[in-house]
Amino acid sequence: GAVVSQHPSWVICKSGTSVKIECRSLDFQATTMFWYRQFPKQSLMLMATSNEGSKATYEQGVEKDKFLINHASLTLSTLTVTSAHPEDSSFYICSARETGGTYNEQFFGPGTRLTVL
Amino acid sequence: AQKITQTQPGMFVQEKEAVTLDCTYDTSDQSYGLFWYKQPSSGEMIFLIYQGSYDEQNATEGRYSLNFQKARKSANLVISASQLGDSAMYFCAMREGYAFNGGSQGNLIFGKGTKLSVKP
Repeated sequence: GAVVSQHPSWVICKSGTSVKIECRSLDFQATTMFWYRQFPKQSLMLMATSNEGSKATYEQGVEKDKFLINHASLTLSTLTVTSAHPEDSSFYICSARETGGTYNEQFFGPGTRLTVL
Repeated sequence: AQKITQTQPGMFVQEKEAVTLDCTYDTSDQSYGLFWYKQPSSGEMIFLIYQGSYDEQNATEGRYSLNFQKARKSANLVISASQLGDSAMYFCAMREGYAFNGGSQGNLIFGKGTKLSVKP
């Protein structure tokens, strides 16, 4: 299957700083990418849907000014957690859907573990 | 109402035995897809198996099979001949409203997951 990478795999930062997480589709083009958040022992919660060249669509309750998403190319989407606080500590997972792919092709990145001190 | 319900927070199975992980779903759409993912402790989401709402036969992928009962809105995952490496979280997910021509519309909605532990 296709490969989705995330960078960094883990990050520790101080409260108040901003953190950028990259999501790349390595061997396919992804018109649509998704950002999920997962708290320990919980399910994945969709935060936003990112479409190349347009603004992201955020789920209800997700602050778009805090979680900035940029899908600048068909292979790269970034999530920036601005002014991070300890409650933002979580596991962030991106997923990419292949352009022109069949309905069952959605590939996940390995995740980024964010710890805010 | 929850779209995806996984009623088993945790399951134990003896190595080499089969295990069934339950999943029920709720949708009013006629077109939808059902997915199972495995998440080991490393955190990556590994796609296991897919069932389309119009697929008449149950999906199978190696040791994984999906017991699709449309009228009951259930999509249970069956793992045969369990291995120690199968120990992980398992998530059932649904995507609503995709088109027949392959155009994907909806997002994946996940259940709360089942933690499977395989005993040697």
